[in-house]
Amino acid sequence: QVQLVQSGAEVKKPGASVKVSCKASGYTFTSYYMHWVRQAPGQGLEWMGIINPSGGSTSYAQKFQGRVTMTRDTSTSTVYMELSSLRSEDTAVYYCARGGDGYHYWGQGTLVTVSS
Amino acid sequence: SYELTQPPSVSVSPGQTASITCSGDKLGDKYACWYQQKPGQSPVLVIYQDSKRPSGIPERFSGSNSGNTATLTISGTQAMDEADYYCQAWDSSPYVFGTGTKVTVL
Repeated sequence: QVQLVQSGAEVKKPGASVKVSCKASGYTFTSYYMHWVRQAPGQGLEWMGIINPSGGSTSYAQKFQGRVTMTRDTSTSTVYMELSSLRSEDTAVYYCARGGDGYHYWGQGTLVTVSS
Repeated sequence: SYELTQPPSVSVSPGQTASITCSGDKLGDKYACWYQQKPGQSPVLVIYQDSKRPSGIPERFSGSNSGNTATLTISGTQAMDEADYYCQAWDSSPYVFGTGTKVTVL
């Protein structure tokens, strides 16, 4: 069965960077794009960007351009999302979600807390 | 930038029909998806490609999309359907989400 397993919760100071991982299993890793979505406390879903695990190409939401980097490791079927220059407004749950025709599969979410 | 607007809240009595709208410029030219999210859980896809239901999603969930508006309809609403619902325009980057609607089953 398809599974997306994310790394654990993180606490970071303002200005630092965080790298969240998402390990995929149960399907051919390079056959589906992977998206990243975040949700601040009490807020809605926010699309961050997308990576093609096959070639590594990416596309980011304009809001995160210059601060986000998405990468992949095909040997471990893992995608990564790194967000830099963290500020308190980046406190949120970060999700990976498999693309296709809608997000049929989601990771369990990773809480990133930015606090001094 | 592209925006999708949903009503903040919808209330429905058990057994009745709840309709949630999602408005965006020429949304009907794109595919619409709908997600259900309960507190503390990852979202769940309930409708994709405007009107298709993933396996395991009850038949009481249905969708449509035309013009500038996509609609999620929950027929015979049950208490377990109380949740937040988000639409999404599935076209190409950026994959925008709607503002979200809280459905309360009274």
